[in-house]
Amino acid sequence: EVQLVESGGGLVQPGGSLRLSCAASGFTFSDHYIDWVRQAPGKGLEWVGRSRNKAKSYTTEYAASVKGRFTISRDDSENSMYLQMNSLKTDDTAVYYCARIIVVSACHFFDFWGQGTLVTVSS
Amino acid sequence: DIQMTQSPSSLSASVGDRVTITCRASQSISSHLNWYQQKPGKAPKVLIYAASSLQGGVPSRFSGSGSGTDFTLTISSLQPEDFGSYYCQQSYSAVWTFGQGTKVEIK
Repeated sequence: EVQLVESGGGLVQPGGSLRLSCAASGFTFSDHYIDWVRQAPGKGLEWVGRSRNKAKSYTTEYAASVKGRFTISRDDSENSMYLQMNSLKTDDTAVYYCARIIVVSACHFFDFWGQGTLVTVSS
Repeated sequence: DIQMTQSPSSLSASVGDRVTITCRASQSISSHLNWYQQKPGKAPKVLIYAASSLQGGVPSRFSGSGSGTDFTLTISSLQPEDFGSYYCQQSYSAVWTFGQGTKVEIK
């Protein structure tokens, strides 16, 4: 059974840092791109960033809103990926999901999501 | 970045109604358009990928159409369990973007 489990959320002050983890099981983690998506309270979904797989040299992409502040990394030996968040702002308050990307008929989409972890940025 | 615009932002319909949600991209995205359903407090779930392909296990009352910049999600006969929010998402560019969402309520 495919599972993605996020952890590491919590309360942090503006300007602070937090590291989220996404633990994967039930599939060959190293084969897949994995993304982070967030959702502010009562708002819509916002794509945060991506870690591609080893075949694509673990390259990353970021949304403009987090570029330069957030860093995505992964450890295939641990079936885990990470989101290091620095210089946090109140606007970063959200539930953060990790999600697996699958490719079917040359189209990429999210087929499995974690349950999410809440990050609250507040003084 | 490619902007995705959904309409309407919310709707209320009766069981059995035909419901249509539209999504427009700010530039052509070919058929790289996916639709997700999200229930309150839960992670999203993919319904349609590649604009018109039904994900396994999704009821056939859901369908998608469109290409280029204009796309549609249709629920042919709304069921009570279809309440929630629906999001389109483009996977054409390296930076993915979602529409702002459509909240569907059952009358």
